[in-house]
Amino acid sequence: GDSVTQMEGPVTLSEEAFLTINCTYTATGYPSLFWYVQYPGEGLQLLLKATKADDKGSNKGFEATYRKETTSFHLEKGSVQVSDSAVYFCALVIGMGSQGNLIFGKGTKLSVKP
Amino acid sequence: AAGVIQSPRHLIKEKRETATLKCYPIPRHDTVYWYQQGPGQDPQFLISFYEKMQSDKGSIPDRFSAQQFSDYHSELNMSSLELGDSALYFCASSFWGGGPDTQYFGPGTRLTVL
Repeated sequence: GDSVTQMEGPVTLSEEAFLTINCTYTATGYPSLFWYVQYPGEGLQLLLKATKADDKGSNKGFEATYRKETTSFHLEKGSVQVSDSAVYFCALVIGMGSQGNLIFGKGTKLSVKP
Repeated sequence: AAGVIQSPRHLIKEKRETATLKCYPIPRHDTVYWYQQGPGQDPQFLISFYEKMQSDKGSIPDRFSAQQFSDYHSELNMSSLELGDSALYFCASSFWGGGPDTQYFGPGTRLTVL
């Protein structure tokens, strides 16, 4: 079945460090891919998305490129801040033949130290 | 911009009691999704509605039921509550428009079953 695999956390970085959170997927159709972020005690916020191969989603300094050949959607940020500390979820929605419920990865907790 | 509204934000119930969670989607969104997130877990899809009809069903227990009303708000009814039902329940909404679109999440209802 369709699934998302994320690198396990927690990930601890110093402020201004480079961030990569790996995400790979398995899908029978043509998925749209998303990164959601969950700050402590809060709900899920859409961070970025990509709907077709080679699309790059970007927001707030975060980027991810939809790589069909490697079935990946890795999240990157060049310089993290303490305020980026949160849990990051990679997710997919199948674009055809589905009613569109999100399938999430297990989440990666990021802690950024001053 | 208007967001998804969920009520109540917190709910404490005893075992075997019932609970009703409410969700008000973003205006003009026609699709509502319910997800359950256990402690330290990724969100799991429960059920979705499109134009007031159930459109997809995930891992929703038979003790739970849901519906979407004429004003597009949705309610999740949970009966015979068990300790394991303690979780964060998210509602998300989107505009279908012929295919799955970005889902926007509400802040969640934290249900505690004692």
